[in-house]
Amino acid sequence: AQSVTQLGSHVSVSEGALVLLRCNYSSSVPPYLFWYVQYPNQGLQLLLKYTTGATLVKGINGFEAEFKKSETSFHLTKPSAHMSDAAEYFCAVSDSSYSSASKIIFGSGTRLSIRP
Amino acid sequence: NAGVTQTPKFQVLKTGQSMTLQCAQDMNHEYMSWYRQDPGMGLRLIHYSVGAGITDQGEVPNGYNVSRSTTEDFPLRLLSAAPSQTSVYFCASSYSGRIQETQYFGPGTRLLVL
Repeated sequence: AQSVTQLGSHVSVSEGALVLLRCNYSSSVPPYLFWYVQYPNQGLQLLLKYTTGATLVKGINGFEAEFKKSETSFHLTKPSAHMSDAAEYFCAVSDSSYSSASKIIFGSGTRLSIRP
Repeated sequence: NAGVTQTPKFQVLKTGQSMTLQCAQDMNHEYMSWYRQDPGMGLRLIHYSVGAGITDQGEVPNGYNVSRSTTEDFPLRLLSAAPSQTSVYFCASSYSGRIQETQYFGPGTRLLVL
């Protein structure tokens, strides 16, 4: 069965510092991987996704993530944090043998705070 | 386009009351779904629909009913509310429900059951 673990429920970084949010997954077949962002009192918005092909995926707002099969990881990074990045971030995984979005499993989320 | 809209934004219910959470999308998406979000648990799928007249259960369907009479609307019904249903509810949609497609989420309904 597939699963996803986000390490750290809360991460705090200084403005301008590197952002690193960790996500590890479990899947018996090549996975589809997603990162979503949720701003306060809003719904989730897709940041980026990995389906097939290049393992380094670039998303919106300067974020990127790298699929590392050997480490079963899909960590989210941004070189320089901005105050507007403060939000909750969700990693999600699905077994690529499924075709339906109903099979996407979400992690428990990481709240990112930015210090001035 | 308004995208995915949800009403109400906030609701307080007493145990045993019933209510319907409304969800609508104007993007002509076939796939719609309902999630609940609880602290420390991420999002869990309640019910989903791949088109008008077709619905199916997700991970946590007990206590909830859905119907899909039109492409645009996908209401979620709580038949007899329980405190365990206190949560934030999100509706989402995508074009056909293929896993590679982007899902669009509504702003959420915050429900408190006393």
